[in-house]
Amino acid sequence: AQSVTQLGSHVSVSEGALVLLRCNYSSSVPPYLFWYVQYPNQGLQLLLKYTTGATLVKGINGFEAEFKKSETSFHLTKPSAHMSDAAEYFCAVRPRSNDYKLSFGAGTTVTVRA
Amino acid sequence: GAVVSQHPSWVICKSGTSVKIECRSLDFQATTMFWYRQFPKQSLMLMATSNEGSKATYEQGVEKDKFLINHASLTLSTLTVTSAHPEDSSFYICSARAGGFYNEQFFGPGTRLTVL
Repeated sequence: AQSVTQLGSHVSVSEGALVLLRCNYSSSVPPYLFWYVQYPNQGLQLLLKYTTGATLVKGINGFEAEFKKSETSFHLTKPSAHMSDAAEYFCAVRPRSNDYKLSFGAGTTVTVRA
Repeated sequence: GAVVSQHPSWVICKSGTSVKIECRSLDFQATTMFWYRQFPKQSLMLMATSNEGSKATYEQGVEKDKFLINHASLTLSTLTVTSAHPEDSSFYICSARAGGFYNEQFFGPGTRLTVL
C-alpha cells in the first residue's frame, strides 16, 4: 500500500521568496510521483511528474521537484513566489504498473504575501 | 492539451432528489475515467473507476447504489447521486486518461453539489 505525506498544511511566503513544499511517500518500490495545483473551485492541474530518468524534474510555472530515493521524498520548489502561486498543492503517487489510481496527500495551502 | 469538461459546474437540489453529473473528454478518447469527492479543505478521495462499456469499480466504503456511474462511451461518463441528502454535498471531480502506459489522468473542473 502506498501513502503520501505532505508536511505542513499551510505555507505562507513573501512575494519573491522561495517556495518549498514537502512530500514524502511510503512504498516498497518507488512509485510514479506527481504534483498538482488546484485553484479555488477548480479541478487539478498537473505541475510536473517523475516517472524515470533525471531525478530533477522541471514543470510549468517555474516549479521543479527532485526525486530522492534515499529520502523517499519529492519536494516541490519555486525560486521566486508570485502572487498567482497562491493555491492548494497536492502531491500524488501511483504504482509503477498498469494501476492508474492516484493516492493524494492531504494538500498544502500556499499563501503569498505582498 | 487534453481537456476534460464537467457539467454542471454547480448544482443545488432538494433532499431526496437525484442529480446527474457529466464528465466528458473533449479531444481524446478516455479508456478510463475516475470520480473523486473532495470535502472543503481536504484532499481528493477516489470514489470509483469506470472503464468504457463495463461496470464501475467502487472504492471501499462507497455505496454503489447511491453513486451510480455509467461510462457509456469513450468520451462520456456520468455520476448520478441518487436520493441526495445534505451529507452528499461536496465537490465532485472527474478525471480521464487515454490509453498508453505513460498517459496520465486529466482532471475536470469539478462540480459543486449542494443538497438542501
